[in-house]
Amino acid sequence: DAGITQSPRYKITETGRQVTLMCHQTWSHSYMFWYRQDLGHGLRLIYYSAAADITDKGEVPDGYVVSRSKTENFPLTLESATRSQTSVYFCASRPDRGQGETQYFGPGTRLLVL
Amino acid sequence: GQSLEQPSEVTAVEGAIVQINCTYQTSGFYGLSWYQQHDGGAPTFLSYNALDGLEETGRFSSFLSRSDSYGYLLLQELQMKDSASYFCAVLDSSYKLIFGSGTRLLVRP
Repeated sequence: DAGITQSPRYKITETGRQVTLMCHQTWSHSYMFWYRQDLGHGLRLIYYSAAADITDKGEVPDGYVVSRSKTENFPLTLESATRSQTSVYFCASRPDRGQGETQYFGPGTRLLVL
Repeated sequence: GQSLEQPSEVTAVEGAIVQINCTYQTSGFYGLSWYQQHDGGAPTFLSYNALDGLEETGRFSSFLSRSDSYGYLLLQELQMKDSASYFCAVLDSSYKLIFGSGTRLLVRP
């Protein structure tokens, strides 16, 4: 299916465990992003990537790791989950500069850290 | 630093017009976007302004004044389905979107 998908859609884990959230897009968009959304904070950028093998920190990167070995995938790993990382995580993608300004979001992953 | 300010909540009546304002202060600026998000859903793109002026898309319009670091989203002929959160977002010099905290719009019958 074309579009941007995230897995899992729901995840419950315990403090200290490693968790990886997956993101896959079929458009070959250059840019990919990870946001977290908490009540009252809107969408905060965690990490982003301008192309394969290029990643950069966003506003709230601590405790997270990303990689982008392939253009279509952008996994987000919580190395040692904490309760403060309970949130809704959205992956997004957009085409390269000059090719459109729409940013497309995945359906989100709801993560609960106990 | 980077900051975007928008009202936290707006209430309007079905069929009316509502304006959601956004002021921003960012390092570098390519344009201002607006996104809609229904409860439990993902944000979806509404509009993008790179230049000063008004952009119209159906019942929705978006305005930008770069000199005032200000924009707004105008929703006309409000419908119940327009009840959602609306986010302004700046496309900054690194070509990433920085979002405001969102405005929750409640449309009443």
